Amino acid sequence: GAVVSQHPSRVICKSGTSVKIECRSLDFQATTMFWYRQFPKQSLMLMATSNEGSKATYEQGVEKDKFLINHASLTLSTLTVTSAHPEDSSFYICSASLGSTEAFFGQGTRLTVV
Amino acid sequence: AQRVTQPEKLLSVFKGAPVELKCNYSYSGSPELFWYVQYSRQRLQLLLRHISRESIKGFTADLNKGETSFHLKKPFAQEEDSAMYYCALRGYGGATNKLIFGTGTLLAVQP
Repeated sequence: GAVVSQHPSRVICKSGTSVKIECRSLDFQATTMFWYRQFPKQSLMLMATSNEGSKATYEQGVEKDKFLINHASLTLSTLTVTSAHPEDSSFYICSASLGSTEAFFGQGTRLTVV
Repeated sequence: AQRVTQPEKLLSVFKGAPVELKCNYSYSGSPELFWYVQYSRQRLQLLLRHISRESIKGFTADLNKGETSFHLKKPFAQEEDSAMYYCALRGYGGATNKLIFGTGTLLAVQP
């Protein structure tokens, strides 16, 4: 299957700073990328849908100014957590798909805000 | 509204026993249903999808539109099946084909 890579896999940052997470589709061009947040022992909560060259579509209750998404190319989407606070600590997962085909998932990024 | 319900957080069975992981969905149109699996310390990966009607690792799932269910079944559980299983739905509304996940069921297969 296709490979989706997330970087970094783990990051610790100070409260008030911003953190950028990258999601890359390594061997295919992804027209759509999705960003999820997963709390411990809970399901994946869809945060936003990112289409190359256009603004991301955020799910209800997700602050777009807090979680900035950029999808500058067909192989890269970034999620920036701005002015991070301890409550933003979570596991963030991206997935990428080509059209209506199977979605492929990254390995996830563990964010800890101290 | 799109919704996926997995009523069991944990399902514990003995090796060789049959397994059924329940999934019910709510969607007004004709959705596409999936089962994803997450083994310990690994990324989420597709197990099977209803349109393929295939058996993967001995698992099968049949879409029952009347009961709006997509239960995952395996006749004889193996220890290596222990993992987190997520049922997911993809609809075709709006400009995106987003996946909506259930809360997941942790399958623990005891030796």
